[in-house]
Amino acid sequence: QVQVQESGPGLVKPLETLSLTCSISYGSITSHQWSWIRQTPGKGLEWIAYNSDTGRANYNPSLQSRVTISVDTSKNQFSLWLNSVTPADTATYYCARDGHDISGYHYYFDLWGQGILVTVSS
Amino acid sequence: DIHMIQSPSSLYASVGDTITITCRASQSISTYLNWYQQQPGKAPKLLIYAASTLQSGVPSRFSGGGSGTHFTLTINSLQPEDFATYSCQQSYSMPRTFGQGTKVEIK
Repeated sequence: QVQVQESGPGLVKPLETLSLTCSISYGSITSHQWSWIRQTPGKGLEWIAYNSDTGRANYNPSLQSRVTISVDTSKNQFSLWLNSVTPADTATYYCARDGHDISGYHYYFDLWGQGILVTVSS
Repeated sequence: DIHMIQSPSSLYASVGDTITITCRASQSISTYLNWYQQQPGKAPKLLIYAASTLQSGVPSRFSGGGSGTHFTLTINSLQPEDFATYSCQQSYSMPRTFGQGTKVEIK
């Protein structure tokens, strides 16, 4: 059964770069699209970006200027970088698989990591 | 962006009750609507996709309906493990957006 695990520092200083890694176990990262999603008490769940199974990236316009994602197929890992962070970026960050139905039209997040809390503070 | 609004924000119910949560989209999204359940301190769990299709393993007391801009999640005969936060999410267009969540609490 495919497992997903986020990792990275839990504390980042303001204006620095947040860097997280999502490790996929018991499955190939190239078999699906993968997304980063974050959750804050104030704004709820916010989709950040995804990396398609063909390697194409798609970003939320609200974060696009500060976000980069990439896939390392040799390590079966998916990474997120968010630069120039502020306390507003304090959130639990999730890695999630982008599943879809048999038609291929309906996409949904059907497998999530446990999440990692990242606090932005000096 | 498509804005998703859920109502109510929270509700109190008892074991055995039937409840309905509403999700409205700021524009038509056909049936590109998913529902998630989230327990405190846990990741969201997919319950329903394409507005009304139950994800594998989800109990049949959960049901979803609607299309266009108005959607519902109904839970029949609430069980103790159903007290959680429920969120809708549209997959019609990018960026994918979520509702703010509905917290179901024990009365």
